[in-house]
Amino acid sequence: AQSVSQHNHHVILSEAASLELGCNYSYGGTVNLFWYVQYPGQHLQLLLKYFSGDPLVKGIKGFEAEFIKSKFSFNLRKPSVQWSDTAEYFCAVNAYTGGFKTIFGAGTRLFVKA
Amino acid sequence: ETGVTQSPTHLIKTRGQQVTLRCSSQSGHNTVSWYQQALGQGPQFIFQYYREEENGRGNFPPRFSGLQFPNYSSELNVNALELDDSALYLCASSSPDREIVNEQFFGPGTRLTVL
Repeated sequence: AQSVSQHNHHVILSEAASLELGCNYSYGGTVNLFWYVQYPGQHLQLLLKYFSGDPLVKGIKGFEAEFIKSKFSFNLRKPSVQWSDTAEYFCAVNAYTGGFKTIFGAGTRLFVKA
Repeated sequence: ETGVTQSPTHLIKTRGQQVTLRCSSQSGHNTVSWYQQALGQGPQFIFQYYREEENGRGNFPPRFSGLQFPNYSSELNVNALELDDSALYLCASSSPDREIVNEQFFGPGTRLTVL
């Protein structure tokens, strides 16, 4: 069965620190990969997505993610975080297995200290 | 452009009752997905509808059922409510291409409490 693992449930960083959030998935076929973000009091929104092509994808607000097929990973990175990046981040995988399914990870709560 | 809306925002039911949650898609979207998000967890995929037909289903029992209407709005019905059904229910719509799963636009959710 498909699953998505996010390595860290809570991360605390100071402003200007670098960020890397891990995401691994289990599924052997073709997948579409997403990172969603939920800022306090707001809806889930797309940060970035990977369907095919260049495995390094860039999203909004300076975020990027790298798809490493051999490691079944799709880690999220940002070189320098800001206080406004405080949010919950979800990795998600979509695949067609007789029907479309989107599986989310449990989420990582990021708190950035000013 | 109107975003995804859901109603009601909060709901309290008792065990054994039935509930219907509603979702209006973003304009131009004909694919709707429903998710259950328990406290401290990520959204769990319930099912997806594309052009009024179920297009994918997660590991939820048959008492979770849905409908999509010609205007692409959608309902989630849950029968015989259990305490564990207490959660935030999210609706998400996406743009009309069955072969490519595009960005999903999420609504604010309906908070269901089962007593």
